[in-house]
Amino acid sequence: GENVEQHPSTLSVQEGDSAVIKCTYSDSASNYFPWYKQELGKRPQLIIDIRSNVGEKKDQRIAVTLNKTAKHFSLHITETQPEDSAVYFCAFQTGANNLFFGTGTRLTVIP
Amino acid sequence: NAGVMQNPRHLVRRRGQEARLRCSPMKGHSHVYWYRQLPEEGLKFMVYLQKENIIDESGMPKERFSAEFPKEGPSILRIQQVVRGDSAAYFCASSLQAKEETQYFGPGTRLLVL
Repeated sequence: GENVEQHPSTLSVQEGDSAVIKCTYSDSASNYFPWYKQELGKRPQLIIDIRSNVGEKKDQRIAVTLNKTAKHFSLHITETQPEDSAVYFCAFQTGANNLFFGTGTRLTVIP
Repeated sequence: NAGVMQNPRHLVRRRGQEARLRCSPMKGHSHVYWYRQLPEEGLKFMVYLQKENIIDESGMPKERFSAEFPKEGPSILRIQQVVRGDSAAYFCASSLQAKEETQYFGPGTRLLVL
């Protein structure tokens, strides 16, 4: 069945350092991989996504890399700020078009 | 340009009652997805609908749960005879197209079953 493993489950970094979150997925047919940020009590918000025709995508301090052969993708946040503290979810789109989510990474940026 | 809207934001029900959750997608979006999130967990897919049609309900429990997306009006997720285990946050999302398209989430409905 469909599965995605997300690591680490918790991550603490000093302000200004980088944070990396990794996901490994099962559905080799998937072509769409979004990352969502969820603050406490709020809705998930898309921060970046990547489609399988590219291997890397960057948006200011956020970047995502995709390795389809190895079936894993990673989120990189550079120059972290306290407002980056939240839970981050990776996901992939299944053949049925819904999203299959990872278990989340709780990122804490220490000022 | 209003985003995805959900109501109510909070809903308290006693065991055995019915819960009715509503979702209005973003303007122009005809694809709606419902997800459930238990405390401290990720989001789990429940059902995917397009106007007047259920496309995929593989994540929805077979009993007590139903969903619809009528031609006019919001999408409705209905839970009959609620039990304590139904307590969760229910999020809906909408997208313009289906394939490789961003899904935008609503603020969620937090259901508490007493």
